[in-house]
Amino acid sequence: AQSVAQPEDQVNVAEGNPLTVKCTYSVSGNPYLFWYVQYPNRGLQFLLKYITGDNLVKGSYGFEAEFNKSQTSFHLKKPSALVSDSALYFCAVRLGAGSYQLTFGKGTKLSVIP
Amino acid sequence: EAGVAQSPRYKIIEKRQSVAFWCNPISGHATLYWYQQILGQGPKLLIQFQNNGVVDDSQLPKDRFSAERLKGVDSTLKIQPAKLEDSAVYLCASSSGLDAGELFFGEGSRLTVL
Repeated sequence: AQSVAQPEDQVNVAEGNPLTVKCTYSVSGNPYLFWYVQYPNRGLQFLLKYITGDNLVKGSYGFEAEFNKSQTSFHLKKPSALVSDSALYFCAVRLGAGSYQLTFGKGTKLSVIP
Repeated sequence: EAGVAQSPRYKIIEKRQSVAFWCNPISGHATLYWYQQILGQGPKLLIQFQNNGVVDDSQLPKDRFSAERLKGVDSTLKIQPAKLEDSAVYLCASSSGLDAGELFFGEGSRLTVL
């Protein structure tokens, strides 16, 4: 079975400061990892993914994430937060080969304070 | 490029009534997903289609939920009879293939069961 944990329900950060949204995963095999963002009353939007290769993945809107196999983590980061980054962020995982089910975490609400 | 279209956006029904949601994926996308997102939780996969065939419906409550994608394009998700715990947002997503990393989500259909 595969699972994702987002240990923080909410993250508050001041505008201009770096932000981190945490994600750890559990999967028996090589994972495919994803981050999605959800703005109020909107569907989820893809931010970035890790399939293989470089552990540091760059995505949309200046976000990046680092895959750490030893810590089974895939934390989302941004060097300088914007108020417009305030949203709900979801980490997701699927087993790389032979499985197509994407399992989402419960989400972390990011609030960027002006 | 047109995104994933869903309707209705909002629906309120009494328990034991029936409801249907419609989804039109991005043109050319072979894979279609229905997710259930309960307030405060991450999306949970209900059913996944590849063209007009079901790939995964292991988490679909088949005694009350049904879904079809008859011509391999748009899809309908039905709930009959509805229960209070079915109150959620039903998200439709599509992707170019089973192994595609990125899912494109619609804005969702919010169901309230009274």
